[in-house]
Amino acid sequence: QEELVDSGGGVVQPGTSLRVSCAASGFRFTSYTFHWVRQAPGKGLEWVAGISYGGTQYYADSVKGRFTISRDNSKSTVSLQMNSLRPDDTAVYFCARAPILVPSGMDVWGHGTTVSVSS
Amino acid sequence: DIQMTQSPSSLSASLGDRVTITCRASQGIRNDLGWYQQKAGKAPKRLIYGASSLQSGVPSRFSGSGSGTEFTLTITSLQPDDSATYYCLQYSRYPLTFGGGTKVEIK
Repeated sequence: QEELVDSGGGVVQPGTSLRVSCAASGFRFTSYTFHWVRQAPGKGLEWVAGISYGGTQYYADSVKGRFTISRDNSKSTVSLQMNSLRPDDTAVYFCARAPILVPSGMDVWGHGTTVSVSS
Repeated sequence: DIQMTQSPSSLSASLGDRVTITCRASQGIRNDLGWYQQKAGKAPKRLIYGASSLQSGVPSRFSGSGSGTEFTLTITSLQPDDSATYYCLQYSRYPLTFGGGTKVEIK
């Protein structure tokens, strides 16, 4: 069964850091690019960051310089290190995969992990 | 950045109705577009990729069309399970961008 399991969310204060992770199973990890997508309460979907097989990183302007996406191909995990968190980073964070060979967007998603930034 | 303008933002339709949702890209994206369905509290589920290819396991009442800058998601006969919010996503160029969403309600 192909699965992504998101974890690491929590309640943090503004200006602090948090790391969320995504554990993949049931498929060949290196055949996919991975993304983080977030959804603020009552709002739409917002792409946050992506990482290729070789480690090339892409970021939304709203998180550039504050967030870092990484992957560990040996452990089939993807992480998002979030620094200098702000209240508007409050959201459910979803991990998603996208095939490399035939680009077709995100096909499998994690269930999401909730990040709340509040004083 | 490529802007995705999705319309309408919400609609209400009856069971069996034909429903159409549109996404317009601010620049050409070939057919690098997907459609997603999201129910409250759940992760998005892909319905369509490549603008018109149906995801395995998705009912055939869902279809997608378009290329370049204009794209459409059609539900040919609305069912109770189709009550959800629908999003388009362009994956032609970074940053990836979603449409604003369309909330579909059943009358």
